[in-house]
Amino acid sequence: NAGVTQTPKFRILKIGQSMTLQCTQDMNHNYMYWYRQDPGMGLKLIYYSVGAGITDKGEVPNGYNVSRSTTEDFPLRLELAAPSQTSVYFCASKRHAGANVLTFGAGSRLTVL
Amino acid sequence: AQTVTQSQPEMSVQEAETVTLSCTYDTSESDYYLFWYKQPPSRQMILVIRQEAYKQQNATENRFSVNFQKAAKSFSLKISDSQLGDAAMYFCAYRRDDYKLSFGAGTTVTVRA
Repeated sequence: NAGVTQTPKFRILKIGQSMTLQCTQDMNHNYMYWYRQDPGMGLKLIYYSVGAGITDKGEVPNGYNVSRSTTEDFPLRLELAAPSQTSVYFCASKRHAGANVLTFGAGSRLTVL
Repeated sequence: AQTVTQSQPEMSVQEAETVTLSCTYDTSESDYYLFWYKQPPSRQMILVIRQEAYKQQNATENRFSVNFQKAAKSFSLKISDSQLGDAAMYFCAYRRDDYKLSFGAGTTVTVRA
């Protein structure tokens, strides 16, 4: 049971480039989330999804897009990378609305130069 | 809006001693959940302990316990008999609604041998 798998673990982008952070979970969880963690700060919610085909914005969605075509996958796309998007990104999931425990991925460190 | 405040950026503890991490939160709700997550250098977020607001009894998980003061909106974490493996960043989190967690800025715990 792999849990939540994020790829890549590290990536360096140039300003204006695009990329997709992949997130896959094999626990049949309905709810999935993308957070970013800046140095010295807590996690901030970027986007979330309550099921396949349904996504919604979190606290800091600007500059990002997501899709949820399957229950397992919840990719996060950066269209025009900016230095302000340098951060560590975490994907997380939980089974249903009432579940209190989030399972996190190992994180993806993104640097935009 | 709910906010979570961790006022201690860093804490240091001698191995086998006890350390207490503070957390306060702001909410107008009466039913909610609170969590402490641990983030070791591997960056993966690990649930340490959770507390349901409707329960008066403080949660305990082995060497980890909380002091939940609902009226004061305080939720501190006590780590007893500290071990080297406890060194990590600890995040306090509040479950805002069915979907989202609000995180504090984190407290880095260093354990001295």
